[in-house]
Amino acid sequence: DGGITQSPKYLFRKEGQNVTLSCEQNLNHDAMYWYRQDPGQGLRLIYYSQIVNDFQKGDIAEGYSVSREKKESFPLTVTSAQKNPTAFYLCASRDRIYEQYFGPGTRLTVT
Amino acid sequence: QQQVKQSPQSLIVQKGGISIINCAYENTAFDYFPWYQQFPGKGPALLIAIRPDVSEKKEGRFTISFNKSAKQFSLHIMDSQPGDSATYFCAASMAQGAQKLVFGQGTRLTINP
Repeated sequence: DGGITQSPKYLFRKEGQNVTLSCEQNLNHDAMYWYRQDPGQGLRLIYYSQIVNDFQKGDIAEGYSVSREKKESFPLTVTSAQKNPTAFYLCASRDRIYEQYFGPGTRLTVT
Repeated sequence: QQQVKQSPQSLIVQKGGISIINCAYENTAFDYFPWYQQFPGKGPALLIAIRPDVSEKKEGRFTISFNKSAKQFSLHIMDSQPGDSATYFCAASMAQGAQKLVFGQGTRLTINP
């Protein structure tokens, strides 16, 4: 089955801890994206990568970091510097034209 | 200029009726306009998309209408069904660069049986 997987589905952390969210795709897409979704709001872009070993900040990158060492993988680390990390995190990848496909998401709760 | 404004925030439609969600944008460089459907706790799924070279695109019960001069586009759901109850997002992006999507705020659609 081709698609995007995100793990875990739910994640709980204590304030002050870094946490890494996994995103894997087997669609052979070059471009990958991380979005954050808060209740009642649209999706906001955190980071994106158009090719392996390259990534760019999105609109709300502060407190987050990423890596892109493999085409299939684009993990997101939520650091302790992120002031309000509790949110629903969505990973996406894009084919050569325009279409972005989303994973199932990870709901992060920080207390 | 990067914003996409979506309305209404919530919408209730009777089964069999037509659901209409509207979006407006400012940046004339946008040239790809998708709509996503999201069920609670799930990732958004691409529903239908349009390029500005056409004014309408239809796929089954879903139709996008596009008005380039007004910088507006809308989603019409014909014969709305309870299974269509979800949150819908419009978005826009440019062909150049990273093709980053700019999303509207979302519309929570409820179809009453």
